[in-house]
Amino acid sequence: NAGVTQTPKFRVLKTGQSMTLLCAQDMNHEYMYWYRQDPGMGLRLIHYSVGEGTTAKGEVPDGYNVSRLKKQNFLLGLESAAPSQTSVYFCASSYRNGPLHFGNGTRLTVT
Amino acid sequence: GQQLNQSPQSMFIQEGEDVSMNCTSSSIFNTWLWYKQDPGEGPVLLIALYKAGELTSNGRLTAQFGITRKDSFLNISASIPSDVGIYFCAGPGTTSGTYKYIFGTGTRLKVLA
Repeated sequence: NAGVTQTPKFRVLKTGQSMTLLCAQDMNHEYMYWYRQDPGMGLRLIHYSVGEGTTAKGEVPDGYNVSRLKKQNFLLGLESAAPSQTSVYFCASSYRNGPLHFGNGTRLTVT
Repeated sequence: GQQLNQSPQSMFIQEGEDVSMNCTSSSIFNTWLWYKQDPGEGPVLLIALYKAGELTSNGRLTAQFGITRKDSFLNISASIPSDVGIYFCAGPGTTSGTYKYIFGTGTRLKVLA
């Protein structure tokens, strides 16, 4: 039982490049979330999904897109990376409105 | 956007001391969560609270759901070196519909042996 798995663990991008972060959960959770963590700012919600095929915007959605084609996977895309998107990205999943279970993060640097 | 005020921001304590931290919100919550984050890892759930006044323990950790439903408290008794990390509170940001959990900015705990 792996829980929430994020790939890759680290990535360096140049400004303007695109990439996709993958999150997979094996707990059969309905809800999935993407957060970013920046020093002194805690975790901020980017996008979330309450079920397969549905997504919604969180607090800081600009510059990101998401897709949930399968219940167990939630993808986060950066269309044109900017230095302001340098951050640690965490995926989480939960039962409906239940406590969040987090992955170990993807550390992204945009130069 | 809505924020949770978490204090203190950081603490340096001696091994064996008790620790207290708290979290306040401008709005009413019906769930409070407490997480711990170790360096290089994701937050791990410590305690979940679902009822005003609830007091729940997990080993040396005890958390309370404030009576006003706008605050929560976490206590660690007899701290040990492995308690080092960042502690986050979280709340659903709403009392109905889909919960979009918001997080405090964290309390960074350092334990001096």
